[in-house]
Amino acid sequence: DAMVIQNPRYQVTQFGKPVTLSCSQTLNHNVMYWYQQKSSQAPKLLFHYYDKDFNNEADTPDNFQSRRPNTSFCFLDIRSPGLGDAAMYLCATSRGGAGGGYNEQFFGPGTRLTVL
Amino acid sequence: ILNVEQSPQSLHVQEGDSTNFTCSFPSSNFYALHWYRWETAKSPEALFVMTLNGDEKKKGRISATLNTKEGYSYLYIKGSQPEDSATYLCASTNTGGFKTIFGAGTRLFVKA
Repeated sequence: DAMVIQNPRYQVTQFGKPVTLSCSQTLNHNVMYWYQQKSSQAPKLLFHYYDKDFNNEADTPDNFQSRRPNTSFCFLDIRSPGLGDAAMYLCATSRGGAGGGYNEQFFGPGTRLTVL
Repeated sequence: ILNVEQSPQSLHVQEGDSTNFTCSFPSSNFYALHWYRWETAKSPEALFVMTLNGDEKKKGRISATLNTKEGYSYLYIKGSQPEDSATYLCASTNTGGFKTIFGAGTRLFVKA
């Protein structure tokens, strides 16, 4: 089945130690998103890629970076994790093209990040 | 309203009860309203996408309505079952982009 895969499901890192979360998709979708969700809060969009075009949200800290080496893969790099970065990180994809914002998003199961 | 707001935050019902939740969203520059169901340890799953004022969508026992003029959407579940227990997320997309703003969700618990 076509799907969005996130690895690992649980990640533990130390304060200040760089960490990378990965996302892959078999849907061949143009758009890939990264969301951060802290406990009981709304998922917050960090950035998205439309093909190779990177779109950062204005309030996303510089500590968060992303790479999309090809259509299928997208990575979230946290350069110096702080305690406040502990959260669930969700990856999602959608079709692009006309009416792109209309298209439903397909989510991975998320990676829960713990910062010690 | 600048954010997407959902109420109630959580809801406990008995099997067989019908229930509904509310999503309020910014009505200016509105493009689309999405509902997702998120079961524990699984991926959020799309339920509905609505764009037009007055839209109504239905999938089995679940239905949703949309009022874009006043900026709200209702999700209804008829005859709740334990397998309906999940977090129901509402999200609004504005015109011209891929910016989707999510609400914090309504957590539904259905007791057998």
